[in-house]
Amino acid sequence: QVQLVQSGAEVKKPGASVKVSCRASGYTFISYEIYWVRQAPGQGLEWMGWVNPNTGATGYAQKFQGRVTMTRDTSINTVYMEVSNLRSEDTAAYFCARVGDFSGFGYWGPGALVTVSS
Amino acid sequence: IVMTQSPATLSVSPGERATLSCRASQDVNIDLAWYQQKPGQAPRLLIHGASKRATGIPARFSGSGSGTEFTLTISSLQSEDFAVYYCQQYNDWLPITFGQGTRLEIK
Repeated sequence: QVQLVQSGAEVKKPGASVKVSCRASGYTFISYEIYWVRQAPGQGLEWMGWVNPNTGATGYAQKFQGRVTMTRDTSINTVYMEVSNLRSEDTAAYFCARVGDFSGFGYWGPGALVTVSS
Repeated sequence: IVMTQSPATLSVSPGERATLSCRASQDVNIDLAWYQQKPGQAPRLLIHGASKRATGIPARFSGSGSGTEFTLTISSLQSEDFAVYYCQQYNDWLPITFGQGTRLEIK
């Protein structure tokens, strides 16, 4: 069965960086893009971008370009999402997701809570 | 592409029908998905391709529409259906966009 397992909660100070991981299992890792979506407390879903685990190609929402980097390590079936220069507005749950059998995000990680506070 | 959901909050009694709307600012064809999210959980895919139920989703959930107007209908609300629902367009991948959500609450 497809599983996406994410790293744990983090607390960071403003200006620091955070790197969240998403380990995939139950399917051929390089066959599906991984997407990142975040959700601030009490707010809606915000799409951040994607990474192709096969080629390493990425695509980012304009809002996050220059501050977010998505990478992968095919040896351990893991993708990473790093946010630099953190500010309080980056406090959110960060989810990784994969397309389902046809379309739409059919598989999700449980989310990783990142808290930015001085 | 801006996705606008209405209403923001919908109050319905168990056993009744709920109708949620989603409007796209431009044509997205049928590249539209619906998700359900409960507190502390990741979203769950309900509908993709505007009208196709995802694997394991009960038949009381149905989606319709194309272009810019979409609807999610829950035919007979069960207690476990009270949650927040989001629509998402994936016709334009940069960026993929979500609606702001509709909170479905017990009346």
